[in-house]
Amino acid sequence: DAGVIQSPRHEVTEMGQEVTLRCKPISGHNSLFWYRQTMMRGLELLIYFNNNVPIDDSGMPEDRFSAKMPNASFSTLKIQPSEPRDSAVYFCASRAQGAGEKLFFGSGTQLSVL
Amino acid sequence: AQTVTQSQPEMSVQEAETVTLSCTYDTSESDYYLFWYKQPPSRQMILVIRQEAYKQQNATENRFSVNFQKAAKSFSLKISDSQLGDAAMYFCAYGSGGSEKLVFGKGTKLTVNP
Repeated sequence: DAGVIQSPRHEVTEMGQEVTLRCKPISGHNSLFWYRQTMMRGLELLIYFNNNVPIDDSGMPEDRFSAKMPNASFSTLKIQPSEPRDSAVYFCASRAQGAGEKLFFGSGTQLSVL
Repeated sequence: AQTVTQSQPEMSVQEAETVTLSCTYDTSESDYYLFWYKQPPSRQMILVIRQEAYKQQNATENRFSVNFQKAAKSFSLKISDSQLGDAAMYFCAYGSGGSEKLVFGKGTKLTVNP
């Protein structure tokens, strides 16, 4: 079991550029979460999917952010256009179906928007 | 909406002593789960302990235990015999049994002094 795999680990881009973060959840996990971590706001839930279907995207900050899960083994979080205030660590996490199940996190993507 | 509050941004403890981290949550649900996750400087998120709301008995995992006060909506984490490796950010999390949404508090940074 390779765990949740995120790429890239670091991303540096210029304001206005499109950024795509990628995530491969653990095989067999039904739920996938995207979180953003900053010093000021802690861990914010952006969006989560159950069985590839977006369930709650109320945490997505604005229309510049979008997330997709085309199949059970892949998800993307896209920011277009990016802004300096988007700089943060973005985590993807997955778990088996069930609110009490352990959440497995990826190693995160450190995004810096200059 | 469910919210999780960690009122202590930072805490410190002497090695081998005991420390308690506070967490309160707000919900109208009866079916939910509570978690404590640890994030060391490596950025990896590690599950420390889990509590089902329907269980009255407090969860324990070796040196880690919780004080779950359902009526007060309080879920504190006690670390006994603190070790240098316990130094990390600690996040309290609420998992909804209905929506399966998982929400985190802003975290408490724990320093362990030798």
